[in-house]
Amino acid sequence: TQLLEQSPQFLSIQEGENLTVYCNSSSVFSSLQWYRQEPGEGPVLLVTVVTGGEVKKLKRLTFQFGDARKDSSLHITAAQPGDTGLYLCAGGRNAGKSTFGDGTTLTVKP
Amino acid sequence: DTGVSQDPRHKITKRGQNVTFRCDPISEHNRLYWYRQTLGQGPEFLTYFQNEAQLEKSRLLSDRFSAERPKGSFSTLEIQRTEQGDSAMYLCASSFSGGASYEQYFGPGTRLTVT
Repeated sequence: TQLLEQSPQFLSIQEGENLTVYCNSSSVFSSLQWYRQEPGEGPVLLVTVVTGGEVKKLKRLTFQFGDARKDSSLHITAAQPGDTGLYLCAGGRNAGKSTFGDGTTLTVKP
Repeated sequence: DTGVSQDPRHKITKRGQNVTFRCDPISEHNRLYWYRQTLGQGPEFLTYFQNEAQLEKSRLLSDRFSAERPKGSFSTLEIQRTEQGDSAMYLCASSFSGGASYEQYFGPGTRLTVT
């Protein structure tokens, strides 16, 4: 079983703070996706990283794929209450099928 | 709106009843996936289709679960003789098999409650 472990499980911060969440595995993935999910809704795709060492930026969010393509991180600068949600990482190896981590629940307090 | 749609959004049923959920993928996507998500967990893979062919089923998918995609467009997921342990959010996603095929686009989900 290819497991993706996400940490921390829960994170509560004040508006304006910076944070980093992690996604780690012992397996190599062809690509890794980050999603954000709000209560009662489906996950929304944020980014895909494919190349080891790749860094992608999406406004205040910075995503990095590890050199060995086994881990990834998501850094948020100057968090806002609208960033609140469940952040999920998902890794792909076999055609089509993705394995999801259990997510980091982020709460940003005004 | 041309995203993935699911129907119904919520379903409450009594134990032992059968339920069926529908998913309409993004029109140009040829792959369709079903996942199950319980509170505090990430989505758990159930099955996926490429066009009308069901290419993989999770070992977690018991004989009470069946999925179809008869014309390679919409899909249905049926659960027979529901059990309380089937209570979960059932998510459908779609993707295109060319390019970054792991980029899956999710619908809003169907919340099933078995009483």
